[in-house]
Amino acid sequence: SQQGEEDPQALSIQEGENATMNCSYKTSINNLQWYRQNSGRGLVHLILIRSNEREKHSGRLRVTLDTSKKSSSLLITASRAADTASYFCATDHTGRRALTFGSGTRLQVQP
Amino acid sequence: DAGVTQSPTHLIKTRGQQVTLRCSPISGHKSVSWYQQVLGQGPQFIFQYYEKEERGRGNFPDRFSARQFPNYSSELNVNALLLGDSALYLCASSLGGGTTDTQYFGPGTRLTVL
Repeated sequence: SQQGEEDPQALSIQEGENATMNCSYKTSINNLQWYRQNSGRGLVHLILIRSNEREKHSGRLRVTLDTSKKSSSLLITASRAADTASYFCATDHTGRRALTFGSGTRLQVQP
Repeated sequence: DAGVTQSPTHLIKTRGQQVTLRCSPISGHKSVSWYQQVLGQGPQFIFQYYEKEERGRGNFPDRFSARQFPNYSSELNVNALLLGDSALYLCASSLGGGTTDTQYFGPGTRLTVL
């Protein structure tokens, strides 16, 4: 399967702490994207990192990509209760027209 | 500006019935993709349409079909519903047809098959 896998499946932290989520995939990619989903609603695009990039920042988000290890990580710094959501990585694989989503990490930020 | 809209929000059907889900993309977006999200899992790609033509199809049976209209809105049809079709169906629109174009998701239609 080409589906990315997130780790951990669930994460509970206190407000103000950092949250790190990891994503692994199996075949070569053009880019990798991270999405957030609140309570089974629509997904919100967070950040896209291309295969030739190693790190990208957006506000409190930091994404890294290691194509040699076929893995990516999403770091949320100084977390807030509003960050409570499920986070998904989605990979754009060479030769495919669709994004392949992982199973997600459920993040709970305790106030 | 309005985001991606989907209708209906919720739907309850029985096995064997047929269902039509609707999606209106963001104004100016020409690509619409459909995803199925079963509870506890990530979305799975069903179809992509760009400029009214099918550009991609996921690993779903022929009971699933879709189309895109001249105004770029789209419908997803599912025939002969099975219990396993119960899921959140998500529509996403993007400006172009490539996967590097940011996809904007609608709130989804939650389908329950009894």
